[in-house]
Amino acid sequence: QVQLQESGPGLVKPSETLSLICTVSGGSISSTYYYWGWIRQPPGKGLEWIGSIYYSGNTYYSPSLKSRVTISVDTSKNQFSLKLNSVTAADTAVYYCARRIDGTSHYTWGQGTRVTVSS
Amino acid sequence: QSALSQPRSVSGSPGQSVTISCTGTSSDVGGYNYVSWYQQHPGTAPKVMIYDVDKRPLEVPNRFSGSKSGNTASLTISKLQAEDEADYYCCSYGGSDTWVFGGGTKLTVL
Repeated sequence: QVQLQESGPGLVKPSETLSLICTVSGGSISSTYYYWGWIRQPPGKGLEWIGSIYYSGNTYYSPSLKSRVTISVDTSKNQFSLKLNSVTAADTAVYYCARRIDGTSHYTWGQGTRVTVSS
Repeated sequence: QSALSQPRSVSGSPGQSVTISCTGTSSDVGGYNYVSWYQQHPGTAPKVMIYDVDKRPLEVPNRFSGSKSGNTASLTISKLQAEDEADYYCCSYGGSDTWVFGGGTKLTVL
């Protein structure tokens, strides 16, 4: 059974870059059956889709975050990553990495990691 | 691309049924059969309950069902149990390789 685990700094300063890694175990990130993505949840609020990547490197981003987001994949480490630049307090959230089965709306989630933007 | 619209809260007594709606547009919910529903208990990650409008993962009880009519998708939970109390989120394909979530609904089991 696949497991996804987020890792990265829990505190980021305003205007800096938020960087997170998702490590996939129990399955290959190079599988043609899945897309890999990031979703966030600000404190006390709903979920927001950030973007996703296919193992080939094709990326897809939320229009509202596209100018600040980069998602990349490292197949040799079975990991994919998120970079969000020029962060503000509004980017404070729990960040989840997730796997979506291609051709469906089925997401499987990591446990999430809390990131606070503060000086 | 706006968030899908869900009621902020719904409630029901044990044994009853409740339905949570998720309203979008013809560009998302109404345009594709790619709607999923997630259950989230406090402090935990969301868990898929329904995907592709009405498909249920094997591990999800058949008390959970999904449907769609026009631009509105619905999640129905029958025979409510105490452990169903949680937040529920809908998610839809939004076109152009993007996805959009609803604002979430808090289900209270009375």
